[in-house]
Amino acid sequence: DVVMTQSPLSLSVTPGQPASISCKSSQSLLHSDGKTYLYWYLQKPGQSPQLLIYEVFSRFSGVPDRFSGSGSGTDFTLKISRVEAEDVGVYYCMQATHLPRTFGQGTKLEIK
Amino acid sequence: EVQVVESGGGLVKPGGSLGLSCAASGFTFSSYSMNWVRQAPGEGLEWVSSISSSSSYIYYADSVKGRFTISRDNAKNSLYLQMNSLRAEDTAVYYCARGTNGKFDYWGQGTLVTVSS
Repeated sequence: DVVMTQSPLSLSVTPGQPASISCKSSQSLLHSDGKTYLYWYLQKPGQSPQLLIYEVFSRFSGVPDRFSGSGSGTDFTLKISRVEAEDVGVYYCMQATHLPRTFGQGTKLEIK
Repeated sequence: EVQVVESGGGLVKPGGSLGLSCAASGFTFSSYSMNWVRQAPGEGLEWVSSISSSSSYIYYADSVKGRFTISRDNAKNSLYLQMNSLRAEDTAVYYCARGTNGKFDYWGQGTLVTVSS
């Protein structure tokens, strides 16, 4: 199975400051079709997960442009340019290039 | 508006069975793959199973293979998960999620399954 390793596991950010989360996979996520099936989800407190970023860098419908994704191969990053209070929760990366689908452990974002 | 709503969770004894349902609305159900993802209390997300739009392709996590069965009824816009031989470690909130080109783009609110004697 592809192991997804996130870091840090928690971070505390002052509103208006940037935040960055790393996700590293144990195998390349580049599919034979040329796409990289790496996603980012946010699970806000008491809610179900919601899709933020798909295929490394594409923002899902309604996701603010302060969220951005980057990376390739085995190294990926989610960046929040200016953290807002509503961004609190646990962020997960997930790969769908290989079966089984696997998630990272999650990164908990708190507001200072 | 795209909606998926899970039901069927509850308390079941180890070794018992339970069936979950997911009712979909707001999109052409028969055109999308569907997925189950679970989250044990205080833990992260774990993919459980996926089924293609016409049920031609079905996949399971090793942890549930041989015990869980995913199915769908496109005429009823519904997804199902039949869970047999349940274990304590199957205790989790089970989410239904629509699949679009690999991404799980819409998730339900989840249904809690508790396996305990």
